[in-house]
Amino acid sequence: EVQVVESGGGLVQSGGSLRLSCVASGFTFNTHAMSWVRHLPGKGLEWLSAISRSGNTTFYSDSVKGRFTISRDNSRNTVFLQLNNVRAGDTARYYCAKSPLGVVAFFDHWGPGAQVTVSS
Amino acid sequence: DIQMTQSPSILSASVGDRVTITCRASQNINIWLAWYRQKPGEAPELLIFRASSLKNGVPSRFSGSGSGTQFTLTIASLQPEDSATYYCQQYNNKWTFGQGTTVEIK
Repeated sequence: EVQVVESGGGLVQSGGSLRLSCVASGFTFNTHAMSWVRHLPGKGLEWLSAISRSGNTTFYSDSVKGRFTISRDNSRNTVFLQLNNVRAGDTARYYCAKSPLGVVAFFDHWGPGAQVTVSS
Repeated sequence: DIQMTQSPSILSASVGDRVTITCRASQNINIWLAWYRQKPGEAPELLIFRASSLKNGVPSRFSGSGSGTQFTLTIASLQPEDSATYYCQQYNNKWTFGQGTTVEIK
């Protein structure tokens, strides 16, 4: 069974940092691109970042470029999202999502999410 | 960036009704569109990809159509478990979600 599970969420002060992790199982991790998507409270879904199956290529939305960094460790079936210089507007539930292919496309499996709350 | 606009924002219907949600892209995205359902308190789940392909295991009451800039998601016979927010997402050029359509059961 395909599973992705996020961890590392919590309360962080404005301007602070946090690292989210996502551990995957049930599929050949190094053959799939992975992404992070967040759900802002009272709003919709926002794609944030994606990484190729090898980790050599990364993509970012304009809203997080320069502040967030995506990476992966294929030996541990894990993808990370480093959040730096967080703001109140980053308060959201963060989801790790798997693409069905080696390239980022749509997202066929999602984790339960990790809550990030930014305090001032 | 490609903008995705869904309509309506909120929809109220009865069990058994046929429901249609529309998604419009700000530029041509061919058939590179997916639909998701997000039940309250849960993660999104993929329903349809490539505009009209149903993901394995998704009930056949769900269907998708369209190409270019206009797309629709249809629920042939609304069920109580379909009370959720539905999102379209384009993957022609980077990745963008629509703002969501909330489906309520009367």
